[in-house]
Amino acid sequence: DIQMTQSPSSLSASVGDRVTITCRASQSISRWLAWYQQKPGKAPKLLIYQASNLESWVPSRFSGSGSGTEFTLTISSLQPDDFATYYCQQYNSYPRTFGQGTKVEIK
Amino acid sequence: EVQLVESGGGLVQPGGSLRLSCAASRFTFSNYAMSWVRQAPGKGLEWVSVISGSGGNTYFADSVKGRFTISRDNSKNTLYLQMNSLRAEDTAVYYCAKSYSSGSYSAFDYWGQGTLVTVSS
Repeated sequence: DIQMTQSPSSLSASVGDRVTITCRASQSISRWLAWYQQKPGKAPKLLIYQASNLESWVPSRFSGSGSGTEFTLTISSLQPDDFATYYCQQYNSYPRTFGQGTKVEIK
Repeated sequence: EVQLVESGGGLVQPGGSLRLSCAASRFTFSNYAMSWVRQAPGKGLEWVSVISGSGGNTYFADSVKGRFTISRDNSKNTLYLQMNSLRAEDTAVYYCAKSYSSGSYSAFDYWGQGTLVTVSS
């Protein structure tokens, strides 16, 4: 099974800050990586697929990059609506696996 | 917009069974693989199972293999998860999720609201 490791597990940041979350795969997954945003009590929402493709609803302050085993999610200027937990997920092979999540909190 | 509505969750004793359903609408259900993903209270996301659009291919997480069965009825636009021999560690919110493409490599572009399964005596 492919293990996905996110860092950090949590972070505190202020509105306007640049935030970067890293996701590492235990073996190469090409670019078959997605990022999800989840708010408390809600289902996850797809943010980015194939490592860098933004879903239509996603603001341009979000970006994704990487390939192989190392990936990043960047929020260029954190907004109040962005405080949430973010998960990466590989879909290169079964079983599909998620990172443990990164909780972005208000400083 | 795509709609996924789960049902069937509830309280069940260890060793018991439960069947979850996910009613899909506003897309061509049979064209897309569908998955179940669960989230234990206060924990992260865990993929559980997937079924292809035709229903001919299925995969399971090791944690549920042999105990859970996934199926679909394309005439009713409904996805199912039959859960047997339930354990306390199966307690979670169960989400159904749609694959965004019909290909082999696909993330999940739509999720249901989730249904809570609690396994406890």
